[in-house]
Amino acid sequence: NAGVTQTPKFQVLKTGQSMTLQCAQDMNHNSMYWYRQDPGMGLRLIYYSASEGTTDKGEVPNGYNVSRLNKREFSLRLESAAPSQTSVYFCASTSGAYNEQFFGPGTRLTVL
Amino acid sequence: DQQVKQNSPSLSVQEGRISILNCDYTNSMFDYFLWYKKYPAEGPTFLISISSIKDKNEDGRFTVFLNKSAKHLSLHIVPSQPGDSAVYFCAASGKSGGSNYKLTFGKGTLLTVNP
Repeated sequence: NAGVTQTPKFQVLKTGQSMTLQCAQDMNHNSMYWYRQDPGMGLRLIYYSASEGTTDKGEVPNGYNVSRLNKREFSLRLESAAPSQTSVYFCASTSGAYNEQFFGPGTRLTVL
Repeated sequence: DQQVKQNSPSLSVQEGRISILNCDYTNSMFDYFLWYKKYPAEGPTFLISISSIKDKNEDGRFTVFLNKSAKHLSLHIVPSQPGDSAVYFCAASGKSGGSNYKLTFGKGTLLTVNP
């Protein structure tokens, strides 16, 4: 099993460009998450999907949109990238509430 | 408002000694706590968890203690090994914010274990 996979691993964008970060899990998990990690800030939740067909905002949703494409895939879209969105993005999944979340390897995004 | 706090940004210990990482929380609705370990350029990996109905959970060299009255938990690593050098995140879950599917993370503590 690959676990949680993320593409791309690295990306450089110019201000105003758009892009989609892809995430897939092969563990048949119901819930999926997108986090960003900034120096000194820990992991902050952007959006999550408790189950297929539902999405909810996390702590820092502004400037992002998500799509739960199916049970396996959860994508994060930046419609108009800003330098403040320079960060490392992690996708995670879990089988349910109160269970451990499994994280992908991350996408390092730089917005110039 | 930071609901999960790790007040020590870094900790340095000698190999073989005990490492104690601390975490405080403010929201009494949290009822499940987890510790994650993160190496550079990798995603966090789950280490150990504890439910609020317990005060201790042990897994090999790792033990988590929970003091609900003080809203404090700690992770003990005994004995510490150089491979334990990583950033450790404390996380909490519960009905805060309306969903027990969310984790709230602390800012992390960088542990360095010196040979």
